[in-house]
Amino acid sequence: DGGITQSPKYLFRKEGQNVTLSCEQNLNHDAMYWYRQDPGQGLRLIYYSQIVNDFQKGDIAEGYSVSREKKESFPLTVTSAQKNPTAFYLCASSMAQVYTEAFFGQGTRLTVV
Amino acid sequence: KQEVTQIPAALSVPEGENLVLNCSFTDSAIYNLQWFRQDPGKGLTSLLLIQSSQREQTSGRLNASLDKSSGRSTLYIAASQPGDSATYLCAVPFSRDDKIIFGKGTRLHILP
Repeated sequence: DGGITQSPKYLFRKEGQNVTLSCEQNLNHDAMYWYRQDPGQGLRLIYYSQIVNDFQKGDIAEGYSVSREKKESFPLTVTSAQKNPTAFYLCASSMAQVYTEAFFGQGTRLTVV
Repeated sequence: KQEVTQIPAALSVPEGENLVLNCSFTDSAIYNLQWFRQDPGKGLTSLLLIQSSQREQTSGRLNASLDKSSGRSTLYIAASQPGDSATYLCAVPFSRDDKIIFGKGTRLHILP
């Protein structure tokens, strides 16, 4: 089945640690996105990528890093520089430029302990 | 800055009523507009995609309209049911920079 998969579903991080969230899609989509959602809030864009080996900062990129070495993969690293990383993280993919529907993964809930 | 605004932030209505959710955006250079539903603690479920060249799109009891020139979209829900209770989000892909920006959502509660 075609789709977009995020892992893990739940993730716990100690203060000062970096963690990496996985996002994989087999929809042959060019564009991929990472969003953060806080309780009772909408989705805020962290990073996005339109093509392999290229990505752009979104509205809240500080404390995060990404890579796009393969078309189907767009991992997000939450670094120790992110002061308030506890949130729900969602990954999306779509066709680039001539947009069709954007598809979302089921999310990763990150908690700092 | 490109912004997407949803009004109202929350809405409670008795079962059976028709209702309208609003989404506005600050830049008319868009590819399309997508409406999503989100249940508590869950991911997003796509409801409707309306292309920038379209005025309306319908799926069952849902109807979305788009007025690109005025930067507005509405989601009309007919004959609301308790199962419609959720947060409804609109997402706008802007063609100037290929960002997809979300509104903060409308939390809908249908009273049985």
